[in-house]
Amino acid sequence: EAQVTQNPRYLITVTGKKLTVTCSQNMNHEYMSWYRQDPGLGLRQIYYSMNVEVTDKGDVPEGYKVSRKEKRNFPLILESPSPNQTSLYFCASSPVRVGEQFFGPGTRLTVL
Amino acid sequence: DQQVKQNSPSLSVQEGRISILNCDYTNSMFDYFLWYKKYPAEGPTFLISISSIKDKNEDGRFTVFLNKSAKHLSLHIVPSQPGDSAVYFCAASARGGSEKLVFGKGMKLTVNP
Repeated sequence: EAQVTQNPRYLITVTGKKLTVTCSQNMNHEYMSWYRQDPGLGLRQIYYSMNVEVTDKGDVPEGYKVSRKEKRNFPLILESPSPNQTSLYFCASSPVRVGEQFFGPGTRLTVL
Repeated sequence: DQQVKQNSPSLSVQEGRISILNCDYTNSMFDYFLWYKKYPAEGPTFLISISSIKDKNEDGRFTVFLNKSAKHLSLHIVPSQPGDSAVYFCAASARGGSEKLVFGKGMKLTVNP
């Protein structure tokens, strides 16, 4: 089954404790992206990757890191999480840069 | 500056009636538009798209209309079904969809049986 998977689905952590949210897709898509969804703000892009070893900032990259060492994986790293990063995070992939992106199920992160 | 606006946060309609979801944009470079649907506890799923070379695109019960002069698009769902109850996001891109997607804030549609 073609899908984008994210782990964990739910995470509660404390300020400053490094964490990684994994994202994997099995569709051989070149383009992958991370979004956060906040009430009243819709979906905002954090980082994106056009291909392996090619990543770039989206609209709200501060406090996040990403890597793309393999085509299928695109982890999101929070080196020192803060409460303002409490949000719902979505990973997405598509065969080309934009258009019909396939989204993962989301990761709800709470930073205390 | 919000480039894609969904000004109504929610809409409630009766089953079998038409649902009309509206979206406005400010960036004249946008030429590719999409609608995504999102159920609770799931990621958004692609619904329908339209290129600026067209003013209408249909897919079953879903039709998207584009008015370039007004920088306005709308999604029509006919007939509406309870399973259509979800949050709908409008999104736009420039350069035929090769630029990043810019999303609206979303609109919650409730279809009552």
